[in-house]
Amino acid sequence: QKEVEQDPGPLSVPEGAIVSLNCTYSNSAFQYFMWYRQYSRKGPELLMYTYSSGNKEDGRFTAQVDKSSKYISLFIRDSQPSDSATYLCAVPFSMIYNQGGKLIFGQGTELSVKP
Amino acid sequence: GAGVSQSPSNKVTEKGKDVELRCDPISGHTALYWYRQRLGQGLEFLIYFQGNSAPDKSGLPSDRFSAERTGESVSTLTIQRTQQEDSAVYLCASNQIAGGSSYNEQFFGPGTRLTVL
Repeated sequence: QKEVEQDPGPLSVPEGAIVSLNCTYSNSAFQYFMWYRQYSRKGPELLMYTYSSGNKEDGRFTAQVDKSSKYISLFIRDSQPSDSATYLCAVPFSMIYNQGGKLIFGQGTELSVKP
Repeated sequence: GAGVSQSPSNKVTEKGKDVELRCDPISGHTALYWYRQRLGQGLEFLIYFQGNSAPDKSGLPSDRFSAERTGESVSTLTIQRTQQEDSAVYLCASNQIAGGSSYNEQFFGPGTRLTVL
């Protein structure tokens, strides 16, 4: 079993739709959970991260972690064509993340928002 | 300020040739990472440098892969005797390990797209 699993999609939605992107993870000790956004032919950029369980909201984006089910979600409200990108969930391998170390990524979900 | 830069942006090579990929991290970042991204896939960790510590090479897929870093600056990833399965985008990232409870975001470069014919 991979440490982080993500449905690769692709996912196509009309403009204005609510988008739900999901990942599962295997190690209950993971504490930080990230979402990266990657535009075509660009490097990933951090969209948002959460620590432990709960929700975190940033504008139209909400990250949610359910540690009991080892489930990570990213919701995009009022989706825009500019949101079209690949979204990658990630966790730090080290439990002491402030000391640095590799990230473990899901496969990425390719999202297309049609005008 | 300047972000992470990588060169070349694209590299086409023949099977069996050696290639060198370069990464210039953000100035002052002590940690540097290399990842590989195959088409339609997530990122696979390759190697991690942190200051003067021994690098974490646990992700290197074979002994054909090696990397070096000069102090806290530029890094070079070398792939010897390239194979077609090495075709991928090679991404470099850097961050500043600040300690405490803060999250230390990794900043990525645009990647080098390697095609092995």
